[in-house]
Amino acid sequence: ELKVEQNPLFLSMQEGKNYTIYCNYSTTSDRLYWYRQDPGKSLESLFVLLSNGAVKQEGRLMASLDTKARLSTLHITAAVHDLSATYFCAGRQETSGSRLTFGEGTQLTVNP
Amino acid sequence: EAGVAQSPRYKIIEKRQSVAFWCNPISGHATLYWYQQILGQGPKLLIQFQNNGVVDDSQLPKDRFSAERLKGVDSTLKIQPAKLEDSAVYLCASRNPGRQLTGELFFGEGSRLTVL
Repeated sequence: ELKVEQNPLFLSMQEGKNYTIYCNYSTTSDRLYWYRQDPGKSLESLFVLLSNGAVKQEGRLMASLDTKARLSTLHITAAVHDLSATYFCAGRQETSGSRLTFGEGTQLTVNP
Repeated sequence: EAGVAQSPRYKIIEKRQSVAFWCNPISGHATLYWYQQILGQGPKLLIQFQNNGVVDDSQLPKDRFSAERLKGVDSTLKIQPAKLEDSAVYLCASRNPGRQLTGELFFGEGSRLTVL
């Protein structure tokens, strides 16, 4: 059964700084997803990573996937307050159909 | 296009009472999911439907939870009787079969349940 672990679970950073959130998964996952959730809101899809070495960027966020290491990263460049949210990664195990298994989430707070 | 609609947004009940949540997926999305998100945790799948058939309900506590999707569109999730540990946000998500390559799920805003 696929297990997904994120770290750190809590991240407080200053505006303008860079940081990386890590997502490890336990078994083969044929794709990796990153979602953002604001308090009291739904999950918003950020990135879908489909293959080894995939890299996607949107604004100050960049996600990458290393299937051999079973690791995905979400890199934040020059953080701004608007990025404060909880970020989830999720994997999909081929044998489980289209079910996504989520990590516990990383609660990011960007301080002025 | 309209997103995934859920109601009610908030519900407070006492333990042993029953509650039902409703979900209307994005039009044309054949696959529908119910996830449970306990405070401070990631969402956990309860049940997955493909049209009106159940694909995966392996993590649904069937002694108290039930769900249906009678006409392959709207879905209802019911809890009876509720326990304190059922306090959570119940998220509905749907997927467009045409987006098979990405498998991306679209989520509603959730129904927050508090059991006292």
